[in-house]
Amino acid sequence: DAGVIQSPRHEVTEMGQEVTLRCKPISGHNSLFWYRQTMMRGLELLIYFNNNVPIDDSGMPEDRFSAKMPNASFSTLKIQPSEPRDSAVYFCASSSTRIGGDTQYFGPGTRLTVL
Amino acid sequence: GNSVTQMEGPVTLSEEAFLTINCTYTATGYPSLFWYVQYPGEGLQLLLKATKADDKGSNKGFEATYRKETTSFHLEKGSVQVSDSAVYFCALRSSGGGADGLTFGKGTHLIIQP
Repeated sequence: DAGVIQSPRHEVTEMGQEVTLRCKPISGHNSLFWYRQTMMRGLELLIYFNNNVPIDDSGMPEDRFSAKMPNASFSTLKIQPSEPRDSAVYFCASSSTRIGGDTQYFGPGTRLTVL
Repeated sequence: GNSVTQMEGPVTLSEEAFLTINCTYTATGYPSLFWYVQYPGEGLQLLLKATKADDKGSNKGFEATYRKETTSFHLEKGSVQVSDSAVYFCALRSSGGGADGLTFGKGTHLIIQP
């Protein structure tokens, strides 16, 4: 079975540019999570969706960040405009509450560098 | 709020040594507890989990017991291998129905020398 798929794996952009990160959760999973990993702050939850509905976005750092989940098989995390301090590895994870599971499965991450 | 505290390392051991990575947590109610492992350049993989007090999670020779009285979930392995070198994260998920995000510790970098 395919795991969580993220694209791109690496992204280098210049300050002020728009960045869009993409995630395809595991088929059948109904919860999706976006995390950010930095050396200074470790792993932080940014936002999560349940049945395509955003449940908690309190971790989104600023209005420059936005996330959408238009359907059960796709989500995006957008940063506009990007800043150097946004440089991090962004992980997407999915899980299923329908079968009572609370295990989150992580994608390989997108390493974002903002110059 | 929820929080997880773990030794950050790096922890350097020789092959076949005994491993303990301490993890303590603060949370309301009865959270689920997890250990994830991250190999270089990869995402996080679930290593083991426990969902209620006194449960023991185990996988690949690693074990951790959910201790509510000490709010701990220490990771142990009797004999480590070079291939166990990675970063290990302790995490919790709040109790209650539905999905919630995970709260992670800062991670412990483990280095096993041959």
